[in-house]
Amino acid sequence: DTAVSQTPKYLVTQMGNDKSIKCEQNLGHDTMYWYKQDSKKFLKIMFSYNNKELIINETVPNRFSPKSPDKAHLNLHINSLELGDSAVYFCASSQEGAKNIQYFGAGTRLSVL
Amino acid sequence: DQQVKQNSPSLSVQEGRISILNCDYTNSMFDYFLWYKKYPAEGPTFLISISSIKDKNEDGRFTVFLNKSAKHLSLHIVPSQPGDSAVYFCAAIEMYAGGTSYGKLTFGQGTILTVHP
Repeated sequence: DTAVSQTPKYLVTQMGNDKSIKCEQNLGHDTMYWYKQDSKKFLKIMFSYNNKELIINETVPNRFSPKSPDKAHLNLHINSLELGDSAVYFCASSQEGAKNIQYFGAGTRLSVL
Repeated sequence: DQQVKQNSPSLSVQEGRISILNCDYTNSMFDYFLWYKKYPAEGPTFLISISSIKDKNEDGRFTVFLNKSAKHLSLHIVPSQPGDSAVYFCAAIEMYAGGTSYGKLTFGQGTILTVHP
């Protein structure tokens, strides 16, 4: 039973399209995150939600919008996809009081053509 | 500006020998450091960590050393095993920025470790 699951694993789409990536965790954690791993392999935080409240919002284009319907889910919606959005996106979660230990999903490889 | 850097993209060692992975950081506000391990097609998994009040933390075959004055940490794996072959990410966090832990991990770009039988 996967602790942090993301869907889809692969996403190939055309420039200009709108797409969503879903993330669910069954660990009972209060905080969830989205990271982007770019071509240089750095994992960079994009957003963090704690109990459905946005607490980290890095310098990310506003075409990216996270949505947290409940504390077990954090979805990422991307509007008007651009070539530079191609990357691997990782979802993660952590529990309150131990935010440094984060549990990651397997990643979603997004390719924008 | 990358605040956490792993300057060796790859490392190859023989089974049974020691693997040493290095990491440098620039932000003196970081006070907690972690190593994550990542296999292909999987997400990173937590391996070992160290607080800035310590200079060494050991867990089985894995030891992390922290040199705050040099802003440098290293992960030692001894003895190395073929199953240790993976990408290793160094990460750092400012645990309590203004009294709150936001969980903002800053990662290096990873080092690919290959352990040969």
